Amino acid sequence: AQSVSQHNHHVILSEAASLELGCNYSYGGTVNLFWYVQYPGQHLQLLLKYFSGDPLVKGIKGFEAEFIKSKFSFNLRKPSVQWSDTAEYFCAVKDPGNTPLVFGKGTRLSVIA
Amino acid sequence: GAVVSQHPSWVICKSGTSVKIECRSLDFQATTMFWYRQFPKQSLMLMATSNEGSKATYEQGVEKDKFLINHASLTLSTLTVTSAHPEDSSFYICSARALPGSVYGYTFGSGTRLTVV
Repeated sequence: AQSVSQHNHHVILSEAASLELGCNYSYGGTVNLFWYVQYPGQHLQLLLKYFSGDPLVKGIKGFEAEFIKSKFSFNLRKPSVQWSDTAEYFCAVKDPGNTPLVFGKGTRLSVIA
Repeated sequence: GAVVSQHPSWVICKSGTSVKIECRSLDFQATTMFWYRQFPKQSLMLMATSNEGSKATYEQGVEKDKFLINHASLTLSTLTVTSAHPEDSSFYICSARALPGSVYGYTFGSGTRLTVV
């Protein structure tokens, strides 16, 4: 079965620092990839998704992610974080068809002023 | 856009009682709904998949008699935690997909924090 690894459990950054959160999935073939964000006390929101085409995906709030098929990776990036980016970030993958999302364990991002 | 309403947002119940969590798709029809559980500092784990009008498919290790899922209509799925115990305390989240085979319709409810005392 598909699995997702997020290598960083907790990341602490200062404002304006650059961010990269790692995400790897277990096996290849055609997959759909997602990054979700969960702000404190709120529900999951979709940041961005990849289905096909340009492997560099732009999302909301200045986030982007790059799909590297050879590395089974879909890392999330933001050039300059803000305090409001403090949240839990989840990478998710799904196989084609009527299949559920498989989530990574999440990475907590704390941005300090 | 697609909205999923989940109620209640939080509930505290006594051990041995049952709790029902509702998940409604407000502006679209959800033929498939997924129920996830999130323990503290852990990922969302899929509990079951429910398709409207049929029995839910449970993931390995999830007790179907304890976590009753009903998906009687295209806009409503319910999860009932029966005879709840403290170890069932968790964050439960539903997710609905708008169209069969669509990858665009994954919308999450706001979650239900269940505390069993």
